[in-house]
Amino acid sequence: SQTIHQWPATLVQPVGSPLSLECTVEGTSNPNLYWYRQAAGRGLQLLFYSVGIGQISSEVPQNLSASRPQDRQFILSSKKLLLSDSGFYLCAWSVGEQETQYFGPGTRLLVL
Amino acid sequence: QKEVEQNSGPLSVPEGAIASLNCTYSDRGSQSFFWYRQYSGKSPELIMFIYSNGDKEDGRFTAQLNKASQYVSLLIRDSQPSDSATYLCAGVNTGGFKTIFGAGTRLFVKA
Repeated sequence: SQTIHQWPATLVQPVGSPLSLECTVEGTSNPNLYWYRQAAGRGLQLLFYSVGIGQISSEVPQNLSASRPQDRQFILSSKKLLLSDSGFYLCAWSVGEQETQYFGPGTRLLVL
Repeated sequence: QKEVEQNSGPLSVPEGAIASLNCTYSDRGSQSFFWYRQYSGKSPELIMFIYSNGDKEDGRFTAQLNKASQYVSLLIRDSQPSDSATYLCAGVNTGGFKTIFGAGTRLFVKA
């Protein structure tokens, strides 16, 4: 069966510091991978998606970036965090078009 | 702007009642729809998906889709306190990888 991991689970970072969140998927090949952010009490905002290694589509221009160095690894980064980057970051995977997305446990980020 | 709209709630129902959650979408190209449940502080988990007009039943859950009216709903029969959560509706269009999520409806089931 497929499993998706995210780490860290929680993170408190000062404004201006860098960020690296990691997501890995097990049990499937060539998944589509997604990064979402959910602000408190809000819906899910798609940040990036990837249909293959090195292929990244950005949905929202901001100070975040994403990379996919391996088939089942997806990384979300920032060089300098802003207060507005606080939120619940969720990685998800799917296979094929229109297929169901399955979410990882998430990383809760607080920028102070 | 493609949107999925949900009433934020909270929707409060007594234990054993039917909870009805509704969702409308603006993109007529949307073909597939999903309902997720999200407990406080946790990630969303899939409840059901529906592609075709009509009803789809899975245990206590029934999803309904009306593409002409651009309307999706989720019925929860025999609601339990453990069903208390936020329910997210989502849609994706043909050939697309971008799933659009609604902001969610909070459901409280009173014991």
